Amino acid sequence: GENVEQHPSTLSVQEGDNSIINCAYSNSASDYFIWYKQESGKGPQFIIDIRSNMDKRQGQRVTVLLNKTVKHLSLQIAATQPGDSAVYFCAELNTGNQFYFGTGTSLTVIP
Amino acid sequence: GAGVSQTPSNKVTEKGKYVELRCDPISGHTALYWYRQSLGQGPEFLIYFQGTGAADDSGLPNDRFFAVRPEGSVSTLKIQRTERGDSAVYLCASSSPPFETQYFGPGTRLLVL
Repeated sequence: GENVEQHPSTLSVQEGDNSIINCAYSNSASDYFIWYKQESGKGPQFIIDIRSNMDKRQGQRVTVLLNKTVKHLSLQIAATQPGDSAVYFCAELNTGNQFYFGTGTSLTVIP
Repeated sequence: GAGVSQTPSNKVTEKGKYVELRCDPISGHTALYWYRQSLGQGPEFLIYFQGTGAADDSGLPNDRFFAVRPEGSVSTLKIQRTERGDSAVYLCASSSPPFETQYFGPGTRLLVL
């Protein structure tokens, strides 16, 4: 079956520092990936996505990198702010058109 | 515009009871998904609707779980003979077109005593 491993499971960073969250996926045929932010008591919120024909995509303070060779995906958050504190999930769209989610990374930003 | 809404926000029931969870997707979104999220885990796929039909229900854990979307908009997830292991947050998401960015609702927190 599909396997999406996410690490670290918890991350604490100082306000203003950069944060990096990683995902390793198993299905080399997966071609669409999304990063979500989930705050306590809320549903996941879309942050940024990337397709397999790209290796980098940037948004506002966020960058997603995709390395298809090693099946690795990362989310970089620049100048992390207290409002970035949340649980972050990566999700891959597999060949069966189902989204598989990682186990999540709990990010805590220290003011 | 309005996002995805889910009702109730919380549901407490007793083992063996029947529950219905409702999802109102974003207006015009043809695709609707149900997920289940256990504590400390990522969402797990349950079922996907394209329009009124269940295009993929392979994630439903057993035949106690059933979902409908009779008019292609609102969907109801139905759980019969609830078990304590069904306790989780049930999330609904919608998108248009399908398999693009999914917009999630706030979830329904189900607790089976």
